[in-house]
Amino acid sequence: DIQMTQSPSSLSASVGDRVTITCQASQDISNYLNWYQQKPGKAPKLLIYDASNLETGVPSRFSGSGSGTDFTFTISSLQPEDIATYYCQQYDNLPSMYTFGQGTKLEIK
Amino acid sequence: EVQLVESGGGLVQPGGSLRLSCAASGFTFSSYAMHWVRQAPGKGLEYVSAISSNGGSTYYANSVKGRFTISRDNSKNTLYLQMGSLRAEDMAVYYCARDQNPTFYDSSGIFDYWGQGTLVTVSS
Repeated sequence: DIQMTQSPSSLSASVGDRVTITCQASQDISNYLNWYQQKPGKAPKLLIYDASNLETGVPSRFSGSGSGTDFTFTISSLQPEDIATYYCQQYDNLPSMYTFGQGTKLEIK
Repeated sequence: EVQLVESGGGLVQPGGSLRLSCAASGFTFSSYAMHWVRQAPGKGLEYVSAISSNGGSTYYANSVKGRFTISRDNSKNTLYLQMGSLRAEDMAVYYCARDQNPTFYDSSGIFDYWGQGTLVTVSS
């Protein structure tokens, strides 16, 4: 199984800060990686797909990059409404093999 | 507007069974693969199962294979998850999610709409 190592597990930042989260795959997954945002008590929301494509309607301060085994998710200027847990998810191979990172909890400093 | 509404969660004893439903609206249900993803209390997301647009192909995580069955009724725009031999570790909020791309028969691997989730509690 492909393991996804997401870091950090938690992060505290100030409004306006640039925030970066990384996700490392245990093997090459090309660009088969998504990023989701989950606010407390809510369902996850797709933000970035295929490593770097912004989902329709998602603010442009969110971005993703990377390929192979190393991926980065960035919020260019943190807003109060961005407080949430963020997950990466790989989809290389069959659906039975899909896996999520362990999540990064983002808080306001 | 795309809507996915899960139901059927509740309290079940270890070893018991439960069937979850996900009612879909606002899109052509029969054109999209569908998925189940779960989240144990206070934990991260775990992929559970997928079904192709016409129900002809199904996939399961190893943790549920042989105990859970995914199915769909395209005439009723409804996705199901039949869960059996339930264990304490199956306790979670179960989300149904739509696959992003209708041109992918099996799955694009991208989940663009999610339901609000239904809680399954496994306890004696």
